Amino acid sequence: AQTVTQSQPEMSVQEAETVTLSCTYDTSESDYYLFWYKQPPSRQMILVIRQEAYKQQNATENRFSVNFQKAAKSFSLKISDSQLGDAAMYFCAYSGGGADGLTFGKGTHLIIQP
Amino acid sequence: DTGVSQNPRHKITKRGQNVTFRCDPISEHNRLYWYRQTLGQGPEFLTYFQNEAQLEKSRLLSDRFSAERPKGSFSTLEIQRTEQGDSAMYLCASSSSGDARKTQYFGPGTRLLVL
Repeated sequence: AQTVTQSQPEMSVQEAETVTLSCTYDTSESDYYLFWYKQPPSRQMILVIRQEAYKQQNATENRFSVNFQKAAKSFSLKISDSQLGDAAMYFCAYSGGGADGLTFGKGTHLIIQP
Repeated sequence: DTGVSQNPRHKITKRGQNVTFRCDPISEHNRLYWYRQTLGQGPEFLTYFQNEAQLEKSRLLSDRFSAERPKGSFSTLEIQRTEQGDSAMYLCASSSSGDARKTQYFGPGTRLLVL
């Protein structure tokens, strides 16, 4: 079974600074997809960024980028120029080659210090 | 595109009662997923449908949990004989089988409290 591990329960960063959230996963599949979702307090889960395992190029969405290391099974999220609105729980998620549900990590609580 | 909607948003019930939650997916999405999220944890996958077919239900937590998607549009999740341990957020997500990147879009969830 696939597992996703987020080793940082909480991270804090000054506004406008850069922060990196860690995620590792375990799988025996070669075809899979990885996601970062953001869940603000009492609000719904929003997709931040996604990465296909077959793509070597790291995904980027505006201030958000990933460092995908397939051999190391690592998928970290970098947030540049942090803003107060980035404060949320961030979940790393894995999807295999089939159509099954996502496997989530336990999340990282990101605090933005003004 | 109105997004995924879930009703009710909050439900308080007494132990032993049955509850039913509804999810309306994004209209063009043919896949629908149910998750449970307890406090301090990531969502846990329960079941999913492609159109009206329930293709995975082994992850449902017990035989007290059941889900339906009778016409391939909205879905319901029912919990019979609720227990205090069922208190959680129940999330619904939808996706399109035509999306090669398999992205799931989530609803706001139904928060269940069992007294």
